[in-house]
Amino acid sequence: AQTVTQSQPEMSVQEAETVTLSCTYDTSENNYYLFWYKQPPSRQMILVIRQEAYKQQNATENRFSVNFQKAAKSFSLKISDSQLGDTAMYFCAFMNQGAQKLVFGQGTRLTINP
Amino acid sequence: DAGVIQSPRHEVTEMGQEVTLRCKPISGHNSLFWYRQTMMRGLELLIYFNNNVPIDDSGMPEDRFSAKMPNASFSTLKIQPSEPRDSAVYFCASSLQGGFGGELFFGEGSRLTVL
Repeated sequence: AQTVTQSQPEMSVQEAETVTLSCTYDTSENNYYLFWYKQPPSRQMILVIRQEAYKQQNATENRFSVNFQKAAKSFSLKISDSQLGDTAMYFCAFMNQGAQKLVFGQGTRLTINP
Repeated sequence: DAGVIQSPRHEVTEMGQEVTLRCKPISGHNSLFWYRQTMMRGLELLIYFNNNVPIDDSGMPEDRFSAKMPNASFSTLKIQPSEPRDSAVYFCASSLQGGFGGELFFGEGSRLTVL
């Protein structure tokens, strides 16, 4: 079974700093998808960024980018120029190609301080 | 466009009572997912539907839980009888094309407290 591990339960940085959230996963599959979801205090899960395993290029969405290391099974999220609104729980998630089950990590609580 | 709509947003009930959570997926989406979030177990997939048909209910904890999707615009998750350990936030999510590598759109969740 696939597992997703986020080793940082909590992180805290100052506004405008860059922060990197770690995620590792375990799978025997070669084709799959990886996601980072954000859960603000409002509770709703919001997709931040998505990566296809067959793509070598790291995904980027404005201030958010990933460092995808397929051989190491690592998928970290970098937030540049962090803003107060980035304060939230961040979940790394995995989905096998051809499957529909999204498996989540335990989450990292990120606090951006003014 | 309206997102995934869940009701109620909060529910407090007593042990043994029946609880029904409701979900309206995004119009045009053909897959619907029910997740449960707790501090101890994180986010767990309970069941999902494709085109109103249940595909995988292996995550449903026990017979006290049941889910239905009578049509493309409505789903329910029922717990009968409820127990304190069922206290959690229950999320409904929908997606297009069965969610194969695609984005799941989540509702705001229903927070259930069973006393």
